[in-house]
Parts: sequence; structure tokens; C-alpha cells
Amino acid sequence: QQQVKQSPQSLIVQKGGISIINCAYENTAFDYFPWYQQFPGKGPALLIAIRPDVSEKKEGRFTISFNKSAKQFSLHIMDSQPGDSATYFCAASIQETSGSRLTFGEGTQLTVNP
Amino acid sequence: DAGVTQSPTHLIKTRGQHVTLRCSPISGHKSVSWYQQVLGQGPQFIFQYYEKEERGRGNFPDRFSARQFPNYSSELNVNALLLGDSALYLCASITWGGNTDTQYFGPGTRLTVL
Repeated sequence: QQQVKQSPQSLIVQKGGISIINCAYENTAFDYFPWYQQFPGKGPALLIAIRPDVSEKKEGRFTISFNKSAKQFSLHIMDSQPGDSATYFCAASIQETSGSRLTFGEGTQLTVNP
Repeated sequence: DAGVTQSPTHLIKTRGQHVTLRCSPISGHKSVSWYQQVLGQGPQFIFQYYEKEERGRGNFPDRFSARQFPNYSSELNVNALLLGDSALYLCASITWGGNTDTQYFGPGTRLTVL
């Protein structure tokens, strides 16, 4: 069962443009939504994360928009740069004191052309 | 401080063999998780350990096992390897703060089963 669906699978953007990646989730118990960036041969690196009590969070050029009623959230990368070319994963988890497990989307391969 | 370290970086095994992967978390972190990332897909949760106790297990067969040591390092063991076990195995070091756990991934171990 795919609990987090991510789109598009691949995305090509021109330098300076806006990259938008979307995710939808099914489990309403999810209460933590991080985005990870992964370069080839590397492990995923945490970019930005949001809890469902806010609708938007911005850190530098990266913004998460969250729509609780639609069970959707998205990552916006402003002023996209060639160095942003990587695979991006959305994820979701249920925060518990015993520890949480991340459920990842399928990933989006972003290419930013110079 | 060093980040999450994993060893070995790459590993080639044949079907039916056994493999042990190792992970050292970030200093001060007491919890680790293991994930399997098949090429072209998002990571899938295998195990989580906190203070040497298993706190969660994903949908993986009993051929997969893990443990955590008093120094919080961890091992992932896979017995009777199958071709389908070929993947990048990721270890995440977990810290708690503000009712949220944050998972920092290591570079992974690339396992190839022939």
C-alpha cells in the first residue's frame, strides 16, 4: 500500500525558475512531513519539514505548503539553481515517543538547466 | 562532530550468503533506524532501535535482523541473500526535540547480490 504518492516523477526547470513537487498522503494520523534531497551516491539530506498545525513554512529558497483537508503538501524551490539538481523525496510519519518510521514517496528527479 | 558513518561503502555477495552492515550514529544520538532503498525508489523502513531495544519493524522477512550496542552503534544482518536484496541500505541517526524526531541519514552501504 503506497501511503505517500509523489508527483511528478521527473521535472526539468530553467535556472531561476520555480520547481514544484507535490505529495498526497492517505493516513490522517501522519503528523510530521519532511522533505529530503538526495544526490547520486549519497544518503538523503533533510531539507525542510512541517507539522500539520501550520499551512506554510519557508526556509531560504525552500517552501512547504500544507493542505490538511486535501491531505496534500508540496515543496516549492524558488530561483532554482543547477546545484539543486537532485532527487527529492517527501515523507510522512507519526511522531511517537517510542520512535517514528518515515514513509517516503517515490521521489522526483529534478534537473535545473543553466 | 562526525555525521552518520556506515561501513562498508560497497559490498558484493552471492545468493544464499550472509551480510552484516554497520552504522555509527551522530554523537549523542541514542536511536537509529535502518532503511532499504531500491534503485529508483524511496527508502523503505526496516528497523528502529532506541537504547538497544527494538522500537519498530517494517514489512521485511525474518532474514533481516538488527541490534544496537551500548555505544549506540548498530548492525543490520541479512541472511540467505536474494537477488532482490540488492539495494542501498541507509542508517538514520535520530534526535528528539520539540516533540519531533529528526532523522539524519548516512551515506549508505551499496549491496549487490549476484
